[in-house]
Amino acid sequence: QQPVQSPQAVILREGEDAVINCSSSKALYSVHWYRQKHGEAPVFLMILLKGGEQKGHEKISASFNEKKQQSSLYLTASQLSYSGTYFCGTVYDYKLSFGAGTTVTVRA
Amino acid sequence: DTAVSQTPKYLVTQMGNDKSIKCEQNLGHDTMYWYKQDSKKFLKIMFSYNNKELIINETVPNRFSPKSPDKAHLNLHINSLELGDSAVYFCASSTQGTDTQYFGPGTRLTVL
Repeated sequence: QQPVQSPQAVILREGEDAVINCSSSKALYSVHWYRQKHGEAPVFLMILLKGGEQKGHEKISASFNEKKQQSSLYLTASQLSYSGTYFCGTVYDYKLSFGAGTTVTVRA
Repeated sequence: DTAVSQTPKYLVTQMGNDKSIKCEQNLGHDTMYWYKQDSKKFLKIMFSYNNKELIINETVPNRFSPKSPDKAHLNLHINSLELGDSAVYFCASSTQGTDTQYFGPGTRLTVL
């Protein structure tokens, strides 16, 4: 069962912040975050394994709230290179199910 | 030193044809996958192999047949191609099913 991501799309100016949410109707034990740039393959950003865990990749960080069954990805002081589609992934029955993705466009 | 490679990168073919996509990984991973990404960018798992054994087989038409000759290779054969098969197919690998997945560059399949 795939997680639900919101928003579907976001447009930012360089330097602005954004939050992408990922929620699940089932208990979460881990959350993966990937970014896919246009015409390229998805690339791993980070994985959160414990409730309350927070991680960072450049100025991109994520949190994981086990009780709320959700994770959030924070894009801070966005750069042009942050543009792409962000996917969260959750593990059920030993397989990774991806959300529908959030398309982020960062403009100069 | 490509970690996960796929061939071909583009595949354009007529309805009804049979085609294959090949995937190889040099990361020493035990698990390999095939994903289909449709025009709306939705990434859906199709198959997963662990050490040459099929462990995940999603609801995929039996026209799709994966084969893993060894744990570094996972190929996908598609029979009787249909218009709806047009998509980007990604191969991926990981150490275990729940670990970080490394994706290949994708194969864009267009069925005319």
